[in-house]
Amino acid sequence: GAGVSQSPSNKVTEKGKDVELRCDPISGHTALYWYRQSLGQGLEFLIYFQGNSAPDKSGLPSDRFSAERTGGSVSTLTIQRTQQEDSAVYLCASSSGLYNSPLHFGNGTRLTVT
Amino acid sequence: KNEVEQSPQNLTAQEGEFITINCSYSVGISALHWLQQHPGGGIVSLFMLSSGKKKHGRLIATINIQEKHSSLHITASHPRDSAVYICAVESGANSKLTFGKGITLSVRP
Repeated sequence: GAGVSQSPSNKVTEKGKDVELRCDPISGHTALYWYRQSLGQGLEFLIYFQGNSAPDKSGLPSDRFSAERTGGSVSTLTIQRTQQEDSAVYLCASSSGLYNSPLHFGNGTRLTVT
Repeated sequence: KNEVEQSPQNLTAQEGEFITINCSYSVGISALHWLQQHPGGGIVSLFMLSSGKKKHGRLIATINIQEKHSSLHITASHPRDSAVYICAVESGANSKLTFGKGITLSVRP
């Protein structure tokens, strides 16, 4: 597809379970962001990958959160031992990484922790 | 203090009105993005600018680098313009994005 693809679109999980969220960026895009948006809140930065540089993990809220990006393409965000406060829409965005390049967002994964 | 501040937080307008949404930031930036999110929808990029002004249809975005301020203007507003408008700035050596909290715009028919 031409856009950023995220899967699953919806995920309901029980508290304490681990979840994996996937992001397929636009082919060739070197920059990839993970954000989350809680109900009624703004976008909260989680992690940023740019090419082969070390990822900026400064937004990860706890050590239960981790993300990787394999081969500079697909990224997986993993949340271990989920808590109810992890419930949010998790958004992925990518860009070409070039100066002044536009952002492209996926439709997000809506995570509900029961 | 947040690096990116948007005002007003909520805005209600009547169809046809001229609307201005503001964004101020406190860091040096390489670019500023205006994004739109309709209720229950995804986020789309409206503008990306690093100087001056850009226009697309009824939307105009301006930026003043010296004053660290940008505005998004909507002319002849329509109910379909009702959405959250988010300002994001790109800064630092790795062009990391920092988002404002967004402004919820409601345009009444």
